[in-house]
Amino acid sequence: DAKTTQPPSMDCAEGRAANLPCNHSTISGNEYVYWYRQIHSQGPQYIIHGLKNNETNEMASLIITEDRKSSTLILPHATLRDTAVYYCIVRAYTSGTYKYIFGTGTRLKVLA
Amino acid sequence: DAGVTQSPTHLIKTRGQQVTLRCSPKSGHDTVSWYQQALGQGPQFIFQYYEEEERQRGNFPDRFSGHQFPNYSSELNVNALLLGDSALYLCASSDGTGYLSEQYFGPGTRLTVT
Repeated sequence: DAKTTQPPSMDCAEGRAANLPCNHSTISGNEYVYWYRQIHSQGPQYIIHGLKNNETNEMASLIITEDRKSSTLILPHATLRDTAVYYCIVRAYTSGTYKYIFGTGTRLKVLA
Repeated sequence: DAGVTQSPTHLIKTRGQQVTLRCSPKSGHDTVSWYQQALGQGPQFIFQYYEEEERQRGNFPDRFSGHQFPNYSSELNVNALLLGDSALYLCASSDGTGYLSEQYFGPGTRLTVT
């Protein structure tokens, strides 16, 4: 199973872009990268996912390197409510189903 | 539209006891996955249920078992509780086996083993 590596913590000024890196150097060709965030030990919340192309939605952008060994989640204008633990996840396909392999996440603190 | 619900919210058990946690998936979802999240760690995959069968299992002992009912709700059972089983247990649901859709997580059940 592919594993992900993230910095344990990051700070970002409110209103600035938050760029959260993730390393997934052992990812397989058909494995997707997902990003979730978790606020105050609530259930993780879906943000975005991608395979090899860059993706954007109303919450964030996902930039995946051409070799797919790393990716960056971008929150374009961070707010205090974006303070959370952000998980970069590889979705692995085995035994006919998909499962999420979580790393330890990055604790993002948005500063006023 | 109700999202994923879990019960109970909190639970305190004694070492050696057995516990059952419950999960109702998001409307329209038929696949349920269970995760264990120890304090300060990321969620760890326990197992996944689809069509009332366990489809995949993580690295957890047989003390952890589950069930899925015809209405797609699910239970997680843990026997012979250990202190190390204290954690937040998360349930996630998805459509089918999750190829096209993301997983939606419930709020979790906080289990404390004393």
